[in-house]
Amino acid sequence: GENVEQHPSTLSVQEGDSAVIKCTYSDSASNYFPWYKQELGKRPQLIIDIRSNVGEKKDQRIAVTLNKTAKHFSLHITETQPEDSAVYFCAASDQTGANNLFFGTGTRLTVIP
Amino acid sequence: NAGVTQTPKFQVLKTGQSMTLQCAQDMNHNSMYWYRQDPGMGLRLIYYSASEGTTDKGEVPNGYNVSRLNKREFSLRLESAAPSQTSVYFCASSETRGNQPQHFGDGTRLSIL
Repeated sequence: GENVEQHPSTLSVQEGDSAVIKCTYSDSASNYFPWYKQELGKRPQLIIDIRSNVGEKKDQRIAVTLNKTAKHFSLHITETQPEDSAVYFCAASDQTGANNLFFGTGTRLTVIP
Repeated sequence: NAGVTQTPKFQVLKTGQSMTLQCAQDMNHNSMYWYRQDPGMGLRLIYYSASEGTTDKGEVPNGYNVSRLNKREFSLRLESAAPSQTSVYFCASSETRGNQPQHFGDGTRLSIL
């Protein structure tokens, strides 16, 4: 099955700086890569996703890049704010047709005011 | 618009007891999923249901059973709870076709003593 690795496990940045989180995946057939944000004690919430027919997608301060050849994708958050502090999870789809996702182990982002 | 609703929110069990976690979605989604979330391990898929009337094992199915009662409801049962099943359990739903995002419930925090 799919194996997703995520780095770093913790990340601290100053408010206003950029944050980058990287993930690699093992199954070259995967073609859907969502990112979720989870605040303490809350549900994971989708913040952005990318499909394999594009290399980059942007939504305001958040962007995701995908390199299918190298089998890695990254989340970029610019102009970070304290409310960006949370745990972020990447995921990759499998090819069973059931839309299953395999998740990375998460990155705890702390934005220091 | 409730989305995905899970009950109960918290539960404490003794080893060997049984219980059923309930999940319902009002988004008319075909696919539903059960995950467990443990510290440092991300979200791991327990069971999934690609459509009404079907269920399949995920990464960590041992010790669990599921029932897709109808299109809206997908329950998770622990027949004989063990301390290793102490975790936060999340239910999610999605459309099946075209790599669509999964939407999560608020989770059930389960402790097995």
